[in-house]
Amino acid sequence: KQEVTQIPAALSVPEGENLVLNCSFTDSAIYNLQWFRQDPGKGLTSLLLIQSSQREQTSGRLNASLDKSSGRSTLYIAASQPGDSATYLCAVSKLSQGGSEKLVFGKGTKLTVNP
Amino acid sequence: DTEVTQTPKHLVMGMTNKKSLKCEQHMGHRAMYWYKQKAKKPPELMFVYSYEKLSINESVPSRFSPECPNSSLLNLHLHALQPEDSALYLCASSQIRVIRGHQPQHFGDGTRLSIL
Repeated sequence: KQEVTQIPAALSVPEGENLVLNCSFTDSAIYNLQWFRQDPGKGLTSLLLIQSSQREQTSGRLNASLDKSSGRSTLYIAASQPGDSATYLCAVSKLSQGGSEKLVFGKGTKLTVNP
Repeated sequence: DTEVTQTPKHLVMGMTNKKSLKCEQHMGHRAMYWYKQKAKKPPELMFVYSYEKLSINESVPSRFSPECPNSSLLNLHLHALQPEDSALYLCASSQIRVIRGHQPQHFGDGTRLSIL
């Protein structure tokens, strides 16, 4: 059974710092890996998706890497801002019957960026 | 604003009530999902529909009954729920992988359900 672990569970940094969030998974037979952001009481917003054949993806100040063989991914946030404060969730997927995806989530890292 | 719309945003119901949660998307996605998220926990998959047919049921109790009446709509019918069913219920949709390609799942903002 796939298990996804995120470290740290919570992180508080001053504005402007660069930071790294970590994700590890036990079964390397994944279809892709996604990083999501969740604000309190809201749904999930997809930030980056890395295909199993890729090693990294970038979007603005965000960079995500994937090392499938070791079961690890990192999310790098450059020049953090108070608006980045949220819970960041890592999810790995497998293809299921009918072509849909089954996502397994980590417990998330709660990020607070202080002005 | 999200492209997946869920209604209602909040729902309070008694254990003997019958209610329904609704989810709608107009992105042409043919896979739709229901997740349950308890406070301070990650989302857990409940059901998946592919081409309007139920493809995955993660051993969800029968008091939760999903329905996909057409390619844009997904319902979750609730009956005789328990207090422990109180949670945020999230709907998501995605493309079907007919060809090799990857698209993220798009999530709604959820329905916060409280069972009295």
